[in-house]
Amino acid sequence: DAGVIQSPRHEVTEMGQEVTLRCKPISGHNSLFWYRQTMMRGLELLIYFNNNVPIDDSGMPEDRFSAKMPNASFSTLKIQPSEPRDSAVYFCASSPGTGRIFGSGTQLSVL
Amino acid sequence: TQLLEQSPQFLSIQEGENLTVYCNSSSVFSSLQWYRQEPGEGPVLLVTVVTGGEVKKLKRLTFQFGDARKDSSLHITAAQPGDTGLYLCAGAKNSGGSNYKLTFGKGTLLTVNP
Repeated sequence: DAGVIQSPRHEVTEMGQEVTLRCKPISGHNSLFWYRQTMMRGLELLIYFNNNVPIDDSGMPEDRFSAKMPNASFSTLKIQPSEPRDSAVYFCASSPGTGRIFGSGTQLSVL
Repeated sequence: TQLLEQSPQFLSIQEGENLTVYCNSSSVFSSLQWYRQEPGEGPVLLVTVVTGGEVKKLKRLTFQFGDARKDSSLHITAAQPGDTGLYLCAGAKNSGGSNYKLTFGKGTLLTVNP
């Protein structure tokens, strides 16, 4: 298996633009997580899906953030409109149980 | 509120030295995980400890879970440049049968110089 695949690896955009981050989890993993990592706050859980259903989105910063998981092999995290304070590394992770397998992340810079 | 405090925040040592990094909390966790993250990559799970007082060894790495399941340590013997990375601890709480919520510490950034 190729692991958790995220795209793009890097995204540079201007304030106000829509940003869509993509994730392909490991086949057979029934849990999917989106995290954000910054120097100040470390790794923060944004949203958790189980069997494609959003279970906990309490970590989503505000209404500008949304996430979907239309099927077991694909998820998106969308930011609309983006702001400079959204600049961070966004990770997707999948899990068959308690451990997490992380993707390589998307480095987002909002200018 | 930072539930998991990791120390030191930064550590720079020479190849061959031993080191210990710490993960402390006032909360009790049902299990605790250690991850290593290299630049430009996601964290990689190293170990999960579940029982208070448990010790696990992974080659030159020794992980210990505190008796009260509130703290943990990672000891590296004869560090090598390949050990360089950000070491993260993450605690899980079994809440209502669900332990999906992992609380991550901010990590210890280890640099091992040749």
